[in-house]
Amino acid sequence: EPEVTQTPSHQVTQMGQEVILRCVPISNHLYFYWYRQILGQKVEFLVSFYNNEISEKSEIFDDQFSVERPDGSNFTLKIRSTKLEDSAMYFCAVGDRDTEAFFGQGTRLTVV
Amino acid sequence: EDKVVQSPLSLVVHEGDTVTLNCSYEVTNFRSLLWYKQEKKAPTFLFMLTSSGIEKKSGRLSSILDKKELSSILNITATQTGDSAIYLCAVETQGGSEKLVFGKGTKLTVNP
Repeated sequence: EPEVTQTPSHQVTQMGQEVILRCVPISNHLYFYWYRQILGQKVEFLVSFYNNEISEKSEIFDDQFSVERPDGSNFTLKIRSTKLEDSAMYFCAVGDRDTEAFFGQGTRLTVV
Repeated sequence: EDKVVQSPLSLVVHEGDTVTLNCSYEVTNFRSLLWYKQEKKAPTFLFMLTSSGIEKKSGRLSSILDKKELSSILNITATQTGDSAIYLCAVETQGGSEKLVFGKGTKLTVNP
């Protein structure tokens, strides 16, 4: 059973629309992450979330992005006013100190 | 800026061959180095290396870290077509968020 479940698996949205990507960790972990992978490029760190707040974010993670863990289980990434260049695979990952990070199956976001 | 470089970027071999994949890194505050296998979507964990010179082994796969040379290798012996995938090297940095910095990956194709 995977450590992390992501929904939806594929999302198509029009430029300028808002999208919410969801992640549900199966078991308890301390750290939550979002990474993205533009087609053909490397996996890039977006943001880490610990103790119900952002612990680190990359330069990519600007005001267009936000994260939430509203009910203690779901972990969401909201992208406002999507742009064509936001098209990518978005991975949620979970982990703990000194252990490996487990990745979800990803959400493929296509902005048209 | 933290950097992880993998080589080669792609490799085509025949079943039964042995392959060595390379990863070098330049990061501040190194904590650990991880190898992942990415077949279709999610990276799946292979190894986590924290100590120099200690080989980790799982079946036909093995990996070792050289902190002096700031590098790691991943060996796969007696390759099978099921080993075809992108192999990702990532470095975990200290500093609170346990985030991963990824290389571009090595695309391995094993032909029958």
